[in-house]
Amino acid sequence: EVLLVESGGALVQPGRSLRLSCTASGFTFGDYTMTWVRQAPGKGLEWVGFIRSKASGGTTEYAASVKDRFTISRDDSKNIAYLQMNSLKTEDTALYYCIRPLGPCYSSSCYTGYFQHWGQGTLVTVSS
Amino acid sequence: QSALTQPASVSGSPGQSITISCTGTSSDVGVYNYVSWYQHHPGKAPELIIYEVSYRPSGVSNRFSGSKSGNTASLTISGLQAEDEADYYCNSYTGTLWVFGGGTKLTVL
Repeated sequence: EVLLVESGGALVQPGRSLRLSCTASGFTFGDYTMTWVRQAPGKGLEWVGFIRSKASGGTTEYAASVKDRFTISRDDSKNIAYLQMNSLKTEDTALYYCIRPLGPCYSSSCYTGYFQHWGQGTLVTVSS
Repeated sequence: QSALTQPASVSGSPGQSITISCTGTSSDVGVYNYVSWYQHHPGKAPELIIYEVSYRPSGVSNRFSGSKSGNTASLTISGLQAEDEADYYCNSYTGTLWVFGGGTKLTVL
């Protein structure tokens, strides 16, 4: 069974940093893109970004709203994906989900969408 | 990248069919068949119900179907049931990034 558990959410002041973790189990973690999606209170889902598998270069893409402030990384030896959030703003307040897509990410073809497996989310509150 | 446009709310009675639209542009929905739909019950994790415009993941009811015409994708739910009451989101590839719709709240009357 695929299991994704997010952690690290907290109350943090504007301008500070926070790192979220996503611990995965039940699948070959290194074969998959890992994605972060967030949902602000009372708002819809917002795609944050992803990191491809090492086989596809381990490259990352980010939404414009977080680009240059957020960084996604992965440690395949520990089955963990990270979301490093710097220069946090009040509008970053949200429930952050870690996601595994429908299919794997190989050098020949790479799923970066079709978000099939979701964690339960971790809450980040940015407030003074 | 702007969010895809969905109606804020739709409603229907049990047994009826409803359709939720998702309008993008010629840079996303109009050019890629990488459209997916998600069902989200408050307090639970969202669930993938349609991918690649019209395919259902294993275990998803065949009452859910998807289609696309031009820049607009659609989700149809037939034989509405009380358990279908939830928020629904579309999502599309934009060439490098992914973008969600604003979400549609489905009320089963």
